[in-house]
Amino acid sequence: DQQVKQNSPSLSVQEGRISILNCDYTNSMFDYFLWYKKYPAEGPTFLISISSIKDKNEDGRFTVFLNKSAKHLSLHIVPSQPGDSAVYFCAAIPTGANSKLTFGKGITLSVRP
Amino acid sequence: NAGVMQNPRHLVRRRGQEARLRCSPMKGHSHVYWYRQLPEEGLKFMVYLQKENIIDESGMPKERFSAEFPKEGPSILRIQQVVRGDSAAYFCASSPPGTILGKNIQYFGAGTRLSVL
Repeated sequence: DQQVKQNSPSLSVQEGRISILNCDYTNSMFDYFLWYKKYPAEGPTFLISISSIKDKNEDGRFTVFLNKSAKHLSLHIVPSQPGDSAVYFCAAIPTGANSKLTFGKGITLSVRP
Repeated sequence: NAGVMQNPRHLVRRRGQEARLRCSPMKGHSHVYWYRQLPEEGLKFMVYLQKENIIDESGMPKERFSAEFPKEGPSILRIQQVVRGDSAAYFCASSPPGTILGKNIQYFGAGTRLSVL
């Protein structure tokens, strides 16, 4: 039972353009969402998070949007850079919990120079 | 400030042997989490520990797997009598005692890649 779904396994974008990475979830108890970036042979690196009381959070080139009614969130990277090429994981934590991240399978982003 | 340190980075074991994976959390962090990643999959939660206590082990297999986080020293994930299906990347994460909106941001180590022959 995949509670966090990243349905597109890969995305290729031209340098300088916007990258939009999507994530859907099924568990309505999730109230906190995070995006992690992972390079090969390294651990996931925290990028940005959003609480369910907000619908947008921005940090530099990274913006996360949350649509609770659609159980959908997206990560926007603009402008995209070749160094952004990595696997991006969406993760969620349920209400009342302070641990136990539930991850999606990840999206491989390739930014072409 | 060093990040989460895991060792070894690569571990090869034969079926039936024991695997011990170590994790030293970031300085000042008192919460440790273990996750497993199978090929082409996302990370799956295994266990959440604080010093000398297991807080949530709902993701741990019922047999052969155990975890500890002693008062002194690193957290250890122990897999007894390994089988080929245990081959995976095992990631440790840590978080500080405080929370943001009641949640902890988890910071990950580089992982241990276990291969069972």
